[in-house]
Amino acid sequence: GAGVSQSPSNKVTEKGKDVELRCDPISGHTALYWYRQSLGQGLEFLIYFQGNSAPDKSGLPSDRFSAERTGGSVSTLTIQRTQQEDSAVYLCASSLGPPLDNEQFFGPGTRLTVL
Amino acid sequence: KQEVTQIPAALSVPEGENLVLNCSFTDSAIYNLQWFRQDPGKGLTSLLLIQSSQREQTSGRLNASLDKSSGRSTLYIAASQPGDSATYLCAVPGNQFYFGTGTSLTVIP
Repeated sequence: GAGVSQSPSNKVTEKGKDVELRCDPISGHTALYWYRQSLGQGLEFLIYFQGNSAPDKSGLPSDRFSAERTGGSVSTLTIQRTQQEDSAVYLCASSLGPPLDNEQFFGPGTRLTVL
Repeated sequence: KQEVTQIPAALSVPEGENLVLNCSFTDSAIYNLQWFRQDPGKGLTSLLLIQSSQREQTSGRLNASLDKSSGRSTLYIAASQPGDSATYLCAVPGNQFYFGTGTSLTVIP
C-alpha cells in the first residue's frame, strides 16, 4: 500500500476485555514499530520488529501486552484484560530497514478507550 | 541510552514570524535525525530527514540543521502560518527510535 495503515481507527471496550490492534506496514518495509501515546503525552516505545522477530521488547508495559508479526508484514498488538490506564492512541510505524539509517513512517493510529 | 530533549515545550507566535525549534541529544553517534509534525488526534508526518553527513536539509519553508558534535538540531520555520500550528517532534535512531517530547506550536492569525 501507499502508506502505513492501522485498524480499527477507534476501539471502545470494557475493562477486562481483550483487544487486538492491527498494523499493515508499507510494502517492503522490514522494520515495524509500535508506540503508545496517552492524552497530552509524548510517544512511549512499546516494541520493534525486524522481520518477524522482535530484537527489542523492552517497552511493553506489562505481560498483558503482546505483539506478533507474521510473514514479515502485518503485525498485531494484543492487550489482554484491558484496564482504564490502557486508554491511549496506539501508533504503528515502519521503515525500510533497521532504525540506524532509515526513515520512519507512521500510520494514523488506533484510539483505544477502555470504559 | 540516548536521551532527546526539545525546547521550548510550547511556543506561540504571530503569523508571519520566523521561528526556531530546538532538539538536543546525548549520544552524538547517530546516522540521521528526523523531524515530524503531529496534528491533534493524528499520526506523525515526516517533515525532514537529515543525514549525519549533512549540515542542513530544506523543504519549502522548513530548514533543518544538524550539529552532531554538539548534539543539537534546529528546525527553522520561515514566515509562519496558522496552518503550521501543530506539535513538532524530533527523533534519532539507535537500537530503536528515540523521540523528544515535542514542541507545541501555535501560530496566531
